[in-house]
Amino acid sequence: DSGVTQTPKHLITATGQRVTLRCSPRSGDLSVYWYQQSLDQGLQFLIQYYNGEERAKGNILERFSAQQFPDLHSELNLSSLELGDSALYFCASSSRQDAYNEQFFGPGTRLTVL
Amino acid sequence: DQQVKQNSPSLSVQEGRISILNCDYTNSMFDYFLWYKKYPAEGPTFLISISSIKDKNEDGRFTVFLNKSAKHLSLHIVPSQPGDSAVYFCAASALGIQGAQKLVFGQGTRLTINP
Repeated sequence: DSGVTQTPKHLITATGQRVTLRCSPRSGDLSVYWYQQSLDQGLQFLIQYYNGEERAKGNILERFSAQQFPDLHSELNLSSLELGDSALYFCASSSRQDAYNEQFFGPGTRLTVL
Repeated sequence: DQQVKQNSPSLSVQEGRISILNCDYTNSMFDYFLWYKKYPAEGPTFLISISSIKDKNEDGRFTVFLNKSAKHLSLHIVPSQPGDSAVYFCAASALGIQGAQKLVFGQGTRLTINP
């Protein structure tokens, strides 16, 4: 158990809809990262928050947004969903704002868009 | 543009032998490298890392080698055990814009340890 929790575990929705994925980092970790893993793909970095502020951005679509709240949990909002958005979405946390240390990953949310 | 590549999608090794997983990268600015292991229905878990100032780092049965001139790193597992069967991802980090950093992951190699 990494100490990172993600809800929900599975999500099935239709094209055009909007969903929110939730992540609670390990106790004490200030950084939260979001990754997308599509079928047979590696993990694609989406976005990082550190202590409530956006710190780094990856290949995140404009239809996607995220935020980190004062209690350090984070939400990833996906809107106008398309079939290609079906993927595993992982959240990770770390104690530092740079990437020079290990990140602890949650179990992921499997999103299926029909 | 796949900056971190794991060219072998799968690898099968006999229990007790050495497993060698390879990773190539193209960005010479990468200065920190990590290996993660992933079991089905779980998130990746950190295995071992190496800074670009080193060429080898060892932790128990796991050793990572870095060849900067070849832009290549490898993970050696000796001896291989059935519990090592998993997907292994290599990842690399570089200082980006505004001092921010991000991890770039390879596509993963599925390691199967046969009894």
